[in-house]
Amino acid sequence: RKEVEQDPGPFNVPEGATVAFNCTYSNSASQSFFWYRQDCRKEPKLLMSVYSSGNEDGRFTAQLNRASQYISLLIRDSKLSDSATYLCVVNPTNTGFQKLVFGTGTRLLVSP
Amino acid sequence: SQTIHQWPATLVQPVGSPLSLECTVEGTSNPNLYWYRQAAGRGLQLLFYSVGIGQISSEVPQNLSASRPQDRQFILSSKKLLLSDSGFYLCAWNRAGYYGYTFGSGTRLTVV
Repeated sequence: RKEVEQDPGPFNVPEGATVAFNCTYSNSASQSFFWYRQDCRKEPKLLMSVYSSGNEDGRFTAQLNRASQYISLLIRDSKLSDSATYLCVVNPTNTGFQKLVFGTGTRLLVSP
Repeated sequence: SQTIHQWPATLVQPVGSPLSLECTVEGTSNPNLYWYRQAAGRGLQLLFYSVGIGQISSEVPQNLSASRPQDRQFILSSKKLLLSDSGFYLCAWNRAGYYGYTFGSGTRLTVV
């Protein structure tokens, strides 16, 4: 089983739609979680951290379900500029030093 | 502010040739440094990490090596490239206790 699994998509949605991605992780001891965004042929960039209580940043909402070992990302009112690959990322340790484990990503295509 | 520089942006090398990719971080001291590779259609794979000068840990057996000759400099090398070394190489850094990485802009390596 992969450490981090994501549906590769693509998710094709119209502008203004709400879209949600899920991600599952295998290591129940994992301590910190992130969503990164990667544009085509570019480096990944941190979108948001995922906190146990759930967190929101503008149109983006991230949630963590430790019991089921999954993380979700909800994007409301999709924009054309949201088209990208979204990487689910897990830190399997609880130290400041990290060896982040990346999912293969979910591709989102937002159309006019 | 902290910045991370990575070069070259693209590289085409013949099989059997040597490789040297460089990454430098500015605006911070004693960063944790990482080399990742992203093969086409696959997730990011951690290759090496370093917590200090001269301290290198390898995550996977491979044809590559890494060095950290200075605090903010991280170098990825190979004596003889293989076709399977092709990919998108990303350098990243973070500070101890800080969760999440910042990536460099990456080097796209094609071995022919």
